[in-house]
Amino acid sequence: GAGVSQSPSNKVTEKGKDVELRCDPISGHTALYWYRQSLGQGLEFLIYFQGNSAPDKSGLPSDRFSAERTGGSVSTLTIQRTQQEDSAVYLCASSLTGLAGGAKNIQYFGAGTRLSVL
Amino acid sequence: AQSVSQHNHHVILSEAASLELGCNYSYGGTVNLFWYVQYPGQHLQLLLKYFSGDPLVKGIKGFEAEFIKSKFSFNLRKPSVQWSDTAEYFCAVVNSGGYQKVTFGTGTKLQVIP
Repeated sequence: GAGVSQSPSNKVTEKGKDVELRCDPISGHTALYWYRQSLGQGLEFLIYFQGNSAPDKSGLPSDRFSAERTGGSVSTLTIQRTQQEDSAVYLCASSLTGLAGGAKNIQYFGAGTRLSVL
Repeated sequence: AQSVSQHNHHVILSEAASLELGCNYSYGGTVNLFWYVQYPGQHLQLLLKYFSGDPLVKGIKGFEAEFIKSKFSFNLRKPSVQWSDTAEYFCAVVNSGGYQKVTFGTGTKLQVIP
């Protein structure tokens, strides 16, 4: 597609429920990133994919968070047993590659999924 | 590990005032540097970037940033801000060899008063 697409744009869930957030990167981009943006917290890195593998998942805040990427394209971020502190905007970005540096590292962001846990 | 510090969390300026937003990073090697901007209700988007060469880089909408290697800084500037510059600005750094994740600063919210 023309840009990074995320769905849903808004998600309201009850505490304790599981949620899945989807990211469809720009076609041909091998690197995919998930971030969380909370009030006053800036951009918090969650996980990075190069292709289907995740060489860096150091930002996942707990084992309730997981992500996968299939076919080197779409990625799903899953939050199990959601808590109120999980409420935030979850952003996905893609870049041509996570390797080599330079222009290939420029990240293109989706509009995000606003998650509200009641 | 690399890190990025943005000193100002919230800046309020009147239109036509000059802007300088601070960004410092910690990494000893060769870096690529970015400023991203998020206008209200819009996606994060690239404002400008530094890879190599002239340390003074020009971006969109009259923004520029200067890479000062000795100070590990990449401050963002604009001589005269407009109301439409109201946004949140993020500095980011990545070291230029091999895989390294892009590290973002915590952001600076700029409010321009007409």
